[in-house]
Amino acid sequence: SAVISQKPSRDICQRGTSLTIQCQVDSQVTMMFWYRQQPGQSLTLIATANQGSEATYESGFVIDKFPISRPNLTFSTLTVSNMSPEDSSIYLCSVSRGGQGLEEQYFGPGTRLTVT
Amino acid sequence: AQSVTQLGSHVSVSEGALVLLRCNYSSSVPPYLFWYVQYPNQGLQLLLKYTSAATLVKGINGFEAEFKKSETSFHLTKPSAHMSDAAEYFCAVSEDTGGFKTIFGAGTRLFVKA
Repeated sequence: SAVISQKPSRDICQRGTSLTIQCQVDSQVTMMFWYRQQPGQSLTLIATANQGSEATYESGFVIDKFPISRPNLTFSTLTVSNMSPEDSSIYLCSVSRGGQGLEEQYFGPGTRLTVT
Repeated sequence: AQSVTQLGSHVSVSEGALVLLRCNYSSSVPPYLFWYVQYPNQGLQLLLKYTSAATLVKGINGFEAEFKKSETSFHLTKPSAHMSDAAEYFCAVSEDTGGFKTIFGAGTRLFVKA
């Protein structure tokens, strides 16, 4: 398994500002992911955070809006830029130990973001 | 392309009754299938996974799921519900098509009545 922490756990932000969410894992992992979970809905993959290279974004998500860093195998950040109320959501970090990415994922507790 | 359908956004059972949460998948290749549980204000936690070994998979907290290829189903069951089982349950599918992606179902919220 893996123990994952996220900071902050929640935040209330004004529109037009940016928020950076941190994800820390207790051991080195191959793959790290960022998801968005809107109220009452399932998870939507934003991007795969790649160590040492640019993140791989899913359709509908762009680097300018959701820049991601992954400086090493235990840490990643997701920034939500120029926020609007539509960005209000829970943002989840997850990791997978398998290099193929088919194995189970371990999730952080999430960051609950409210944009006013 | 893979997809996951969970039948019933809400399921309510009495304590001690059978829990049945339905999941159907679509995949072009043999899939990896998962059930996750999410308790309030927490991240997702793996309940069990199917990776082409035994078709009946046992997980944590007394849950199990059966992979039925002919029905493209992976329903989650528990013989006797406990109050602590009240949570959101997500079915997920991953497949190897040269790239990785896990698709999550819409989720089923389980209510357990005393």
